[in-house]
Amino acid sequence: DTEVTQTPKHLVMGMTNKKSLKCEQHMGHRAMYWYKQKAKKPPELMFVYSYEKLSINESVPSRFSPECPNSSLLNLHLHALQPEDSALYLCASSRPSGRLNNEQFFGPGTRLTVL
Amino acid sequence: KNEVEQSPQNLTAQEGEFITINCSYSVGISALHWLQQHPGGGIVSLFMLSSGKKKHGRLIATINIQEKHSSLHITASHPRDSAVYICAVQETSGSRLTFGEGTQLTVNP
Repeated sequence: DTEVTQTPKHLVMGMTNKKSLKCEQHMGHRAMYWYKQKAKKPPELMFVYSYEKLSINESVPSRFSPECPNSSLLNLHLHALQPEDSALYLCASSRPSGRLNNEQFFGPGTRLTVL
Repeated sequence: KNEVEQSPQNLTAQEGEFITINCSYSVGISALHWLQQHPGGGIVSLFMLSSGKKKHGRLIATINIQEKHSSLHITASHPRDSAVYICAVQETSGSRLTFGEGTQLTVNP
């Protein structure tokens, strides 16, 4: 299994809602990533988990809350989002960082619209 | 100046043409990635390079570490190749990727 899956594919939410994005991989990767991508722009790194511990938080607002409950799963909890948070949210996984070249495998993304 | 620069930003070609997309970077890297993204879609990794050249089907990627430059070539282009192609470098300090702005390729039949 060389796939990263993400659910849901599309999500529309109001500014007062609480929702979660889910990412799953079964490649034995121990590094997992959340990216945000606005239209016609490259992905922006949000969070990195390494061995289920948060290793990088790119100064993301607290209305985004990541969680890595086990080595295969990565969640992104959303609360009180703003319309400007509407974007494609991409998950990726790789072997953990180090001096090795670690290819990142990306999921199909969740298209989020905040009304 | 961006750490990763791609050219051209937009490219339109006729089916069958040979296509080249260029990527220059200014940081020390352990690997360079070429990625493909179709409209509204997720990202597919095409190549990961640390030296030399790699070929997969009609796609060829080369890298010159001394000159800090990489190229992605598509031979016998086809409309299904229409997508955004993104160059990303993996810095020597870890697994973080630094992305270029992408090249929008349109191949007309």
